Amino acid sequence: NAGVMQNPRHLVRRRGQEARLRCSPMKGHSHVYWYRQLPEEGLKFMVYLQKENIIDESGMPKERFSAEFPKEGPSILRIQQVVRGDSAAYFCASSLQFRNTGELFFGEGSRLTVL
Amino acid sequence: DAKTTQPTSMDCAEGRAANLPCNHSTISGNEYVYWYRQIHSQGPQYIIHGLKNNETNEMASLIITEDRKSSTLILPHATLRDTAVYYCIVYATGNQFYFGTGTSLTVIP
Repeated sequence: NAGVMQNPRHLVRRRGQEARLRCSPMKGHSHVYWYRQLPEEGLKFMVYLQKENIIDESGMPKERFSAEFPKEGPSILRIQQVVRGDSAAYFCASSLQFRNTGELFFGEGSRLTVL
Repeated sequence: DAKTTQPTSMDCAEGRAANLPCNHSTISGNEYVYWYRQIHSQGPQYIIHGLKNNETNEMASLIITEDRKSSTLILPHATLRDTAVYYCIVYATGNQFYFGTGTSLTVIP
């Protein structure tokens, strides 16, 4: 049973370009969470999604960032017009039922470098 | 925001028990204590969680004080592969997991 799959593992973008990060949750999981980790810092919650719905986006920057989890396919975290401060590791997690044990399964992360 | 306080770093000799403390003095009655760890930039890994009773699994033990204001994660026989950042999180159903800065545990040969 494959775990949470994230790709790309590493992404390099120049300032002003767009970055798209993809996350396929564990089989049977319908809840997806995105976290950002700046160098030498802890993980910061960004957004929580269920299929076709954004449940909590309280951690998302107001501009340039968006997330979706369509009915078919992976969840996408999209960053438009990237800036150097967006350089970070972006982790996706999934869970079976949000109101169950609350255990999250994390992917290995996508590391974005903005030149 | 994280509602826990943990030491920034700790060392432990290989083969000895690693005891990682966590203060959560403002914990609410419906909040659980969760522990995750992150090994060198990998994705965080679930370790254990509890509400008010002590818990044990194949990875660790969790001791929660009677007033629930603090807890200790115990790795009974630390190995070099246990070197990681350990996060203590209080969580209630319907909320989000907020990670603090955790405790950086170094297991020394």
